[in-house]
Amino acid sequence: GQQLNQSPQSMFIQEGEDVSMNCTSSSIFNTWLWYKQDPGEGPVLLIALYKAGELTSNGRLTAQFGITRKDSFLNISASIPSDVGIYFCAGQQTSYDKVIFGPGTSLSVIP
Amino acid sequence: DAGVIQSPRHEVTEMGQEVTLRCKPISGHNSLFWYRQTMMRGLELLIYFNNNVPIDDSGMPEDRFSAKMPNASFSTLKIQPSEPRDSAVYFCASSSGLAGVLIYEQYFGPGTRLTVT
Repeated sequence: GQQLNQSPQSMFIQEGEDVSMNCTSSSIFNTWLWYKQDPGEGPVLLIALYKAGELTSNGRLTAQFGITRKDSFLNISASIPSDVGIYFCAGQQTSYDKVIFGPGTSLSVIP
Repeated sequence: DAGVIQSPRHEVTEMGQEVTLRCKPISGHNSLFWYRQTMMRGLELLIYFNNNVPIDDSGMPEDRFSAKMPNASFSTLKIQPSEPRDSAVYFCASSSGLAGVLIYEQYFGPGTRLTVT
C-alpha cells in the first residue's frame, strides 16, 4: 500500500535551535497534514496544507507543501522544551481517500 | 467542546477475554475513525464510519475485531477473543464534512492503552 517516509527518525537538539524535518511519498498527494503527539496523548493537528507550493505558519511552526506534491516540510524555529514529542506527517490523495500517516519524527529538546 | 472522548484510558486483560473500547466523537462531526498505534507498525487506520455507516474496514486485522456506530455520538471497537499481539494504543478520531468526503482535519481522542497478558 501507499507509504510515507519521514526523516529524520529522531532528533536531539539544543533549546533555541531551529528544526527541520520532511515527509516524502512516491505518489502525489492533494493534502498534507502535520500532527504532534505528546507522550500519553493523541495526535494534535498543527498545520494543514492544500495547495502545491503553499507555505503556512502556526506560531513558530512553518510547513510547506512541496511543488512536486510528493513531499512536505516542517520547520520549528527557536525550539523550546515543550516542542518535545513525535511529529507525524499525513497525506490524502483525494478528498475521498483515507488519510495515511508517516512513521513519525521524534524530537528531543535539551534545555 | 469536550473533544473526542474515549474510555477506558487503560485496559489490562487476559488473553481470550473480550475487550470493548468506547468513543464519543465531537458533537456535529459525521466521520469517525479507529486507529491502532504500536512501535512496530506506527499509526494504522482500522476502520472509519461516515454518517454512522462503515465505509472502509480493510484495516481491521481479522475477524476477532469488530466495530459499531449505533448513533452519531457513540462507537465501539470490540476484540473477541483478545490476544497478546493486540496490545497497543487505540485511538478514535472524528472529523466533519460532506457525505462521502473525508475532511482531513481529524481530531483525536486521548487513546486507550490496551495490554493483553
